[in-house]
Amino acid sequence: NAGVTQTPKFQVLKTGQSMTLQCAQDMNHEYMSWYRQDPGMGLRLIHYSVGAGITDQGEVPNGYNVSRSTTEDFPLRLLSAAPSQTSVYFCASNEGSGNTIYFGEGSWLTVV
Amino acid sequence: DAKTTQPTSMDCAEGRAANLPCNHSTISGNEYVYWYRQIHSQGPQYIIHGLKNNETNEMASLIITEDRKSSTLILPHATLRDTAVYYCIVRKLGGQGGSEKLVFGKGTKLTVNP
Repeated sequence: NAGVTQTPKFQVLKTGQSMTLQCAQDMNHEYMSWYRQDPGMGLRLIHYSVGAGITDQGEVPNGYNVSRSTTEDFPLRLLSAAPSQTSVYFCASNEGSGNTIYFGEGSWLTVV
Repeated sequence: DAKTTQPTSMDCAEGRAANLPCNHSTISGNEYVYWYRQIHSQGPQYIIHGLKNNETNEMASLIITEDRKSSTLILPHATLRDTAVYYCIVRKLGGQGGSEKLVFGKGTKLTVNP
């Protein structure tokens, strides 16, 4: 049981490039979400999903796309990277409403 | 979501109890108090949560005041590995999926000293 797995752990992008951060969980959790954390700040919700085929926006969704074609995977796409998207990204999952949320180890993204 | 207020930083001697306070004076009846911690920018780690009764698990104890406007996380015997940023979060359960989000503040930086 690996929990929540994120790849890549580190990535450097040039402004305007696109990329996908991968997130997979092996706990059969219905709910998954993406957060970003900027230096000295708490985490902020980007997008979330309450099940396969269902996604919705969080607090800071601009510049990001998500999809949920399977229960296990919840990729986060940066459409055209900007320096303001330099951050640490955390994927999370929970079994359902009210259940404890578990986080991955993070993906460090730098946009130059 | 209710807002929480925590001290920016705290120190604790190794082996002593660490008591981390949190104020959530605008909490509503269907909101739980959750505690997470983050060590060296790793993914946040769940510690404990409660609604109105005191709770204890293998990691910590959570004391919630009777009016639910504040709470205290207690690490009974702090070790150097407990040095981390501790987040107190109020979370509304049920309803739409967006209510599943966690709203993080800046947390309390706890430093456990030898």
